[in-house]
Amino acid sequence: DAGITQSPRYKITETGRQVTLMCHQTWSHSYMFWYRQDLGHGLRLIYYSAAADITDKGEVPDGYVVSRSKTENFPLTLESATRSQTSVYFCASSESRVGGKLFFGSGTQLSVL
Amino acid sequence: AQKITQTQPGMFVQEKEAVTLDCTYDTSDPSYGLFWYKQPSSGEMIFLIYQGSYDQQNATEGRYSLNFQKARKSANLVISASQLGDSAMYFCADTNFGNEKLTFGTGTRLTIIP
Repeated sequence: DAGITQSPRYKITETGRQVTLMCHQTWSHSYMFWYRQDLGHGLRLIYYSAAADITDKGEVPDGYVVSRSKTENFPLTLESATRSQTSVYFCASSESRVGGKLFFGSGTQLSVL
Repeated sequence: AQKITQTQPGMFVQEKEAVTLDCTYDTSDPSYGLFWYKQPSSGEMIFLIYQGSYDQQNATEGRYSLNFQKARKSANLVISASQLGDSAMYFCADTNFGNEKLTFGTGTRLTIIP
């Protein structure tokens, strides 16, 4: 099915472990984004990508790594997970045009114990 | 830096009444866009409505309208004839043309009372 999919839907890990959250979109959208959602903060941008091999930091990038070797995939890696990274993570994509809305994945609920 | 302010953490509204959710933004860029998203309890983010800074008229999408007051930097969402299914978190967001990033407010939790 076309759309934007995230995996896993739920993940529990321990502090210090490396975790990778996957994001795949089938629209060939140029832009892709990773947001985290925490109570009282709304959604905050972690990283974004304007095209394959082009990535840039958002508001809260520390502790995260991204890559975009293919247009359709935009994985997010927590190199050494910390409890403060317990959150709901949303991947999104958008067309590169004025007023282009973001299409969101279903989210990944990550708990770091 | 862009900043979106939603001053109402929570609202309770009687079913069938109209409701206004407040949003103010702070950008110095002349070209920008404003968005509203809905997040029901299931967690997905649903696009509701968009307003461009150069749009002359307020945007409308069915029961949703955006009350755009440029001089006051205000982009309030108006939901007419509220329904129980409107109970959700609502997020206002803005973007400057050319960078595509959305900056979100902290959201308003709307509860519709039967």
